[in-house]
Amino acid sequence: GESVGLHLPTLSVQEGDNSIINCAYSNSASDYFIWYKQESGKGPQFIIDIRSNMDKRQGQRVTVLLNKTVKHLSLQIAATQPGDSAVYFCAVLKPGKTGAGSYQLTFGKGTKLSVIP
Amino acid sequence: DTAVSQTPKYLVTQMGNDKSIKCEQNLGHDTMYWYKQDSKKFLKIMFSYNNKELIINETVPNRFSPKSPDKAHLNLHINSLELGDSAVYFCASSQDRGGYSSYNEQFFGPGTRLTVL
Repeated sequence: GESVGLHLPTLSVQEGDNSIINCAYSNSASDYFIWYKQESGKGPQFIIDIRSNMDKRQGQRVTVLLNKTVKHLSLQIAATQPGDSAVYFCAVLKPGKTGAGSYQLTFGKGTKLSVIP
Repeated sequence: DTAVSQTPKYLVTQMGNDKSIKCEQNLGHDTMYWYKQDSKKFLKIMFSYNNKELIINETVPNRFSPKSPDKAHLNLHINSLELGDSAVYFCASSQDRGGYSSYNEQFFGPGTRLTVL
């Protein structure tokens, strides 16, 4: 089955430094990955996604790297700000168990990023 | 305007009671979801509806019953509440049921914190 994990449960970073959050997945056939950010007391919020035909994708201050050989992806946040403090989840898309044509996201356990001012 | 809204935000109740959580989205999306997040922040899908049709039904006790009166609403009714049901429940929606060639961003509501005493 699919499992999605994170290497570190917590990460503390100095404001202005770059942050790197890692994620490992188990199914080599996994095709589509999403990073979500969850601030305290709020629902998860989409950050960036990447398909398996890419190894890098950039957004505003964020970059996702995908290494299919070792089944690993990472989220890099440039010039980390206090507003980046949150729990970050990687999620992998897979077919749902019920019903043809359904897809679901399997979320990893989350990494809590704390930004030190 | 709130895209995905849930009521109530907090719900405290006794074991054995029956309760409902309501969810509404004004994004015009076809697909809605219920997730459960435990105390360790683990986020797991429970149900998904596409245009009022159940398409994902994970291993969830029969005491949980989703109801979708229309594609903008997905309510969750829980019978005979147990201590282990205490968690934060998130509703989410997406443009469609997703897939490897689709746009898979899910928009999450603010969550309902359920505490069973």
